[in-house]
Amino acid sequence: EPEVTQTPSHQVTQMGQEVILRCVPISNHLYFYWYRQILGQKVEFLVSFYNNEISEKSEIFDDQFSVERPDGSNFTLKIRSTKLEDSAMYFCASSATSGRYNEQFFGPGTRLTVL
Amino acid sequence: AQKITQTQPGMFVQEKEAVTLDCTYDTSDPSYGLFWYKQPSSGEMIFLIYQGSYDQQNATEGRYSLNFQKARKSANLVISASQLGDSAMYFCAMREGRGGTGGTSYGKLTFGQGTILTVHP
Repeated sequence: EPEVTQTPSHQVTQMGQEVILRCVPISNHLYFYWYRQILGQKVEFLVSFYNNEISEKSEIFDDQFSVERPDGSNFTLKIRSTKLEDSAMYFCASSATSGRYNEQFFGPGTRLTVL
Repeated sequence: AQKITQTQPGMFVQEKEAVTLDCTYDTSDPSYGLFWYKQPSSGEMIFLIYQGSYDQQNATEGRYSLNFQKARKSANLVISASQLGDSAMYFCAMREGRGGTGGTSYGKLTFGQGTILTVHP
């Protein structure tokens, strides 16, 4: 069964450093998303991406964040200068253009720890 | 105002019993979709069940069913015959937007705070 993959599974970085979180969405999906979940809290939407551009972004997704689809398979989230409060689990998700529910399929997540 | 509210931080159920996890939502959009996801301790998010705002019948998927009460804006998840493997965090989520099936096909999901379900043997 096709699945969303994310690398790395855990990233530790120093405050102020840049990080890139990588995702490979399901191959025939065209809508991509990033969410984050601070430990013990609810999952929060960051950004959605379609047709090589951002469809929607949340207030969390400020100019420290960027997304890119550098090739036909990867979808990346970059945080330019990490802050302590960026420590969270980051989930990538993708969905199809058609289907019964167009549910979003989530990757296993990348746990980002900012020291 | 919260768009998705899950008022039960934790629930306990005996194995083989049924359990209901509550979810209420708030939207002015006539077209929306409601989702339930399961998050085991390993952390991944697993899609369980979907209900569209225009669906006439309550959704069912195996042991999962959705008690959808549109006028009350509630979409409670019912798990029948609980199993030990059902112990996890459960999130209710909503996708808003125009679309005949309930929400756009690409809209963001707005999640509730989650309910931790513990199944006792």
